[in-house]
Amino acid sequence: SQTIHQWPATLVQPVGSPLSLECTVEGTSNPNLYWYRQAAGRGLQLLFYSVGIGQISSEVPQNLSASRPQDRQFILSSKKLLLSDSGFYLCAWNIYGRTSGNTIYFGEGSWLTVV
Amino acid sequence: AQKVTQAQTEISVVEKEDVTLDCVYETRDTTYYLFWYKQPPSGELVFLIRRNSFDEQNEISGRYSWNFQKSTSSFNFTITASQVVDSAVYFCALSEAQRDDKIIFGKGTRLHILP
Repeated sequence: SQTIHQWPATLVQPVGSPLSLECTVEGTSNPNLYWYRQAAGRGLQLLFYSVGIGQISSEVPQNLSASRPQDRQFILSSKKLLLSDSGFYLCAWNIYGRTSGNTIYFGEGSWLTVV
Repeated sequence: AQKVTQAQTEISVVEKEDVTLDCVYETRDTTYYLFWYKQPPSGELVFLIRRNSFDEQNEISGRYSWNFQKSTSSFNFTITASQVVDSAVYFCALSEAQRDDKIIFGKGTRLHILP
């Protein structure tokens, strides 16, 4: 069966510090990968998605970036965090096709507080 | 363009009451998928159900039921005999059946089940 893991689960970072959140998927190949952010009490905002290694689409211009160095690895980064980057970050994956119905599955999430 | 509207921001009901969460969608495609996800206080999004556009049969799973009506572009979710454990944020989502299409989420409905 397929599983998705992301880490760290919780982190507190000072303004201006770098960020690296990592996500890996197991049990499948060539998944679509996604990074979402959820600010407190708000909906899901799609940040980045990737349909293959090295292919990254950005939805919102900001100081965050994403990379996909391997088929099942997705990394969210920032060189300098802003206070507004605080939130709950969710990695997700799906497989295109009628069998899967594009169903998207989420990781456990990472709570980021920028202070 | 795709759009998902969950007009109910927050709902409170007393335990054992039935409650319906509304979802209205917009899409130009004839092939698409609809989803419901549950986000408990822990944060992780849990997949509940997927429906494809060719299958308008309603579905029941225990106390949960879903009413898909293409004529009104709605995919409503009913919880029968609600329980405190049903308290969560519920998201409706839409995906068109293209390889690189994104999953579009509604803003979510926060459901409070009062004891």
